[in-house]
Amino acid sequence: AQSVTQLDSHVSVSEGTPVLLRCNYSSSYSPSLFWYVQHPNKGLQLLLKYTSAATLVKGINGFEAEFKKSETSFHLTKPSAHMSDAAEYFCVVSEGYGGSQGNLIFGKGTKLSVKP
Amino acid sequence: GAVVSQHPSRVICKSGTSVKIECRSLDFQATTMFWYRQFPKKSLMLMATSNEGSKATYEQGVEKDKFLINHASLTLSTLTVTSAHPEDSSFYICSARVLGGQPQHFGDGTRLSIL
Repeated sequence: AQSVTQLDSHVSVSEGTPVLLRCNYSSSYSPSLFWYVQHPNKGLQLLLKYTSAATLVKGINGFEAEFKKSETSFHLTKPSAHMSDAAEYFCVVSEGYGGSQGNLIFGKGTKLSVKP
Repeated sequence: GAVVSQHPSRVICKSGTSVKIECRSLDFQATTMFWYRQFPKKSLMLMATSNEGSKATYEQGVEKDKFLINHASLTLSTLTVTSAHPEDSSFYICSARVLGGQPQHFGDGTRLSIL
């Protein structure tokens, strides 16, 4: 069975410093992996996705993530945090086979706070 | 990019009322739409998967008679919370994707508050 573990429920950084949000996955297949961001009382916006192409994936707003199969990780990074990055971030894996193909499995989320 | 519109964004109503939430894909045809529920400070919980022209598939523990889903066209799915009670208060989010495609595109959610 596939699963996603976000290692930190809350991360706090200062504006202008790097961001690291950690995610580990478990999958029997080659997974599709995503990072979504959710601002308060809003839906989810796709930041980036990995679908078995390049292992370093660049997304919107300066975010990127690296797929490391040996470590079963898909950590999200950004070189310099901005105040507008404060939000909830979800690491997500997509089921790839069978009747539930395409269903998303969500991590529990990481709340990112950015201090001035 | 792909846009999903969800309406209304917020509903406040009395206990016993039925509430309908719409989810529209504005610039693509969504063969599959998903309905999620999100409790405060929690992740998204998949309620059901809706395929155009067929019955929705409900996740275990979700009452299909309570949460009616209709996916009548390739751009519209509706979720009706029937005879809503305070425990149904939550944030409901829909998403949509094309057949076999990824990723899912999400609406902005509906905050449902039952008094």
